[in-house]
Amino acid sequence: NAGVTQTPKFRVLKTGQSMTLLCAQDMNHEYMYWYRQDPGMGLRLIHYSVGEGTTAKGEVPDGYNVSRLKKQNFLLGLESAAPSQTSVYFCAASARLGGDTQYFGPGTRLTVL
Amino acid sequence: GQNIDQPTEMTATEGAIVQINCTYQTSGFNGLFWYQQHAGEAPTFLSYNVLDGLEEKGRFSSFLSRSKGYSYLLLKELQMKDSASYLCAVRGTGGFKTIFGAGTRLFVKA
Repeated sequence: NAGVTQTPKFRVLKTGQSMTLLCAQDMNHEYMYWYRQDPGMGLRLIHYSVGEGTTAKGEVPDGYNVSRLKKQNFLLGLESAAPSQTSVYFCAASARLGGDTQYFGPGTRLTVL
Repeated sequence: GQNIDQPTEMTATEGAIVQINCTYQTSGFNGLFWYQQHAGEAPTFLSYNVLDGLEEKGRFSSFLSRSKGYSYLLLKELQMKDSASYLCAVRGTGGFKTIFGAGTRLFVKA
């Protein structure tokens, strides 16, 4: 039972390049989230999903796209990376709304040059 | 607007007690979380409060006052491994959004 996993762990991109971050969970949770974490700031929600085939915008969605084709996977795409997207990206999953705990993946450290 | 405030850094001594405060202003309230995050690692769940009062879980306790928009995390018998960032997060109503504070970095010294 791995919980939430993310690939890759580290990545360096040049401005304008594209990439996809993969999040996978084996807990059968309905809800999945992508956050970014920057120094001195809290985790900020990029996009989220309330179930297979559904996605919605969070707090800072510009420059990112997501897909949830399978319940266990949540993909985050950067079509044309910018230096402002240098950050640590965390994926999370939760079973339900309300007071449910979010379980986080180990994070992806992305640098855009 | 929505805002969560917590101190940026705190230092405490091994074996002591430390209280990390969190004040919040959010659109509605549907629970307050505390997460622990060691450097370079993912946040992990510590506690959840939805009603006023104190929730105790081993060496960690969390308190909530909804009328004051205030919570604290109390860590007792501090250990070196407690050196980490502590994130306060509030879930509002009417959506899936959880607002996270910037975190309090706690340094435990011998």
